[in-house]
Amino acid sequence: NAGVTQTPKFRILKIGQSMTLQCAQDMNHNYMYWYRQDPGMGLKLIYYSVGAGITDKGEVPNGYNVSRSTTEDFPLRLELAAPSQTSVYFCASSYGTSPTDTQYFGPGTRLTVL
Amino acid sequence: QQPVQSPQAVILREGEDAVINCSSSKALYSVHWYRQKHGEAPVFLMILLKGGEQKGHEKISASFNEKKQQSSLYLTASQLSYSGTYFCGTPDRGSTLGRLYFGRGTQLTVWP
Repeated sequence: NAGVTQTPKFRILKIGQSMTLQCAQDMNHNYMYWYRQDPGMGLKLIYYSVGAGITDKGEVPNGYNVSRSTTEDFPLRLELAAPSQTSVYFCASSYGTSPTDTQYFGPGTRLTVL
Repeated sequence: QQPVQSPQAVILREGEDAVINCSSSKALYSVHWYRQKHGEAPVFLMILLKGGEQKGHEKISASFNEKKQQSSLYLTASQLSYSGTYFCGTPDRGSTLGRLYFGRGTQLTVWP
């Protein structure tokens, strides 16, 4: 199993540009998550999904959109990139929602908006 | 609902011990611990459950104090490989959606 994969690893955007961060998992997990990590701030949840076709907002959803057309893929879309979206983005997945279900993280995408 | 971690940073010599705490203002029924090395993704360490049961695979122990709404991670005889940032995550008890609230992290540096 590859686990959770993310592409690209690094990206530089200009203000106002758009891009899609890709995330895929091959563990047949129902639950998938997008986090952003800023220095010293921990992980903040952007969006999450409980299955194909079902998504909802997390703590910091503004400026982002998601879709979940398959169990495996959970892309994150940035429209009109802003410097405040400079961050490291992690995708994660879990099998279920019991207190013992572990979240597995992808390697991250480091995004810089100039 | 973000848990509070302390201390923010720890510097140790190899072989020394460290304790990292994670506290919540809400009642806890589980605490998840992750370690993140610089430039890498967070990696699962263990889960502490209400009642004291631990599920993990590292040679690191932890405790869960339900009364204090706190979990502590114990790193004994630290090795260089223990360096990294440690995060605790607490589930949103009011949600069925499996989301975790993560603390800001504790940066651990182990020197030879």
